[in-house]
Amino acid sequence: QKEVEQDPGPLSVPEGAIVSLNCTYSNSAFQYFMWYRQYSRKGPELLMYTYSSGNKEDGRFTAQVDKSSKYISLFIRDSQPSDSATYLCAMRGSWGKLQFGAGTQVVVTP
Amino acid sequence: DAGVTQSPTHLIKTRGQQVTLRCSPKSGHDTVSWYQQALGQGPQFIFQYYEEEERQRGNFPDRFSGHQFPNYSSELNVNALLLGDSALYLCASSPDGDNSPLHFGNGTRLTVT
Repeated sequence: QKEVEQDPGPLSVPEGAIVSLNCTYSNSAFQYFMWYRQYSRKGPELLMYTYSSGNKEDGRFTAQVDKSSKYISLFIRDSQPSDSATYLCAMRGSWGKLQFGAGTQVVVTP
Repeated sequence: DAGVTQSPTHLIKTRGQQVTLRCSPKSGHDTVSWYQQALGQGPQFIFQYYEEEERQRGNFPDRFSGHQFPNYSSELNVNALLLGDSALYLCASSPDGDNSPLHFGNGTRLTVT
């Protein structure tokens, strides 16, 4: 079993819809949780960075962390075609390497 | 303010050859990590450098080695290339002693034929 599970998609939504992404994990030592966006032929770009359980909002993006269930989510409101990309969840303990999910491909259709 | 820069952007090598990839961290960052991303997969941790020493290593063979220079830039070396080494190699930097997240470069696309 992988430490971080993420549905690879693709996830196709119409423009303006809410995109809902999630990851589950098995390692209770993970404390820091990140969401990265990766466009084709580019490196991952940090979207959200959270530590505690609960919600964090930044513009159209909301990240949720539920440590008791070992479950994290990312919501994108009012999705745009420019949001079409692969979204990677990542997490780590108090320091050191990031453990990534496989990434979810999102397609927002006009 | 330049972010993480990597060179070259693309590289084609033959099986058995050796390759060196280069990375300059974001200004103010002193810790460099390298990741390998196969097509359709998430990045996999190779190793991390701090103060010119390898501080942590992932599950990669000794064919993968690295170096960090006094100006914090870094190199990744891969010897005896295999077809399975074809991937996007990502460099990431962060300030040490800080819980800041990693910032990634755009990677080097390595193709082994």
